[in-house]
Amino acid sequence: DTAVSQTPKYLVTQMGNDKSIKCEQNLGHDTMYWYKQDSKKFLKIMFSYNNKELIINETVPNRFSPKSPDKAHLNLHINSLELGDSAVYFCASSQVAGPNQPQHFGDGTRLSIL
Amino acid sequence: AQSVSQHNHHVILSEAASLELGCNYSYGGTVNLFWYVQYPGQHLQLLLKYFSGDPLVKGIKGFEAEFIKSKFSFNLRKPSVQWSDTAEYFCAVGGSQGNLIFGKGTKLSVKP
Repeated sequence: DTAVSQTPKYLVTQMGNDKSIKCEQNLGHDTMYWYKQDSKKFLKIMFSYNNKELIINETVPNRFSPKSPDKAHLNLHINSLELGDSAVYFCASSQVAGPNQPQHFGDGTRLSIL
Repeated sequence: AQSVSQHNHHVILSEAASLELGCNYSYGGTVNLFWYVQYPGQHLQLLLKYFSGDPLVKGIKGFEAEFIKSKFSFNLRKPSVQWSDTAEYFCAVGGSQGNLIFGKGTKLSVKP
């Protein structure tokens, strides 16, 4: 009965590879997010989708491509992985998109690039 | 652009000590403020939130925060910490498009 679930939890891969992280929420929320947490624990928004439509796209390299097949899923595909992509990636969801909406977070995916 | 500052990088306390973690935000208009906690190896959990009304907000696990508009502050407090409160604490403001804008976090270590 996990509210926001991400897979995989750990991802270890080599530079140059392509990988995907999946996220699903069973809360019936309209809005989903991807955040990146760096080695100093700083969290920053990458993307946000509302009802399958992209509403936030921060200055993220275009090697990162989010995809939302339906409002319960938001996947993140990363091409040509680089050392600097090593981080923990958190998926989150909120009922609707708005500044007063609490967000529910997944457990994170720890991506390590060798 | 909105931003959030957390002054304390690492706070070390003994059990039963009182806690206050500082948070300041930059935006002068209507703000929506949050405190999240991240226990070691876990996801972020909402501790409390402030949108309007009573500036003293009570959250889960005995935490509270006070919104002081004149100081642009939203400090987190707990009268008596426990070892299980050891975690990373993040203050955040709600962005106009719904994203959260986080401070850099404060690591709290509670000695038993």
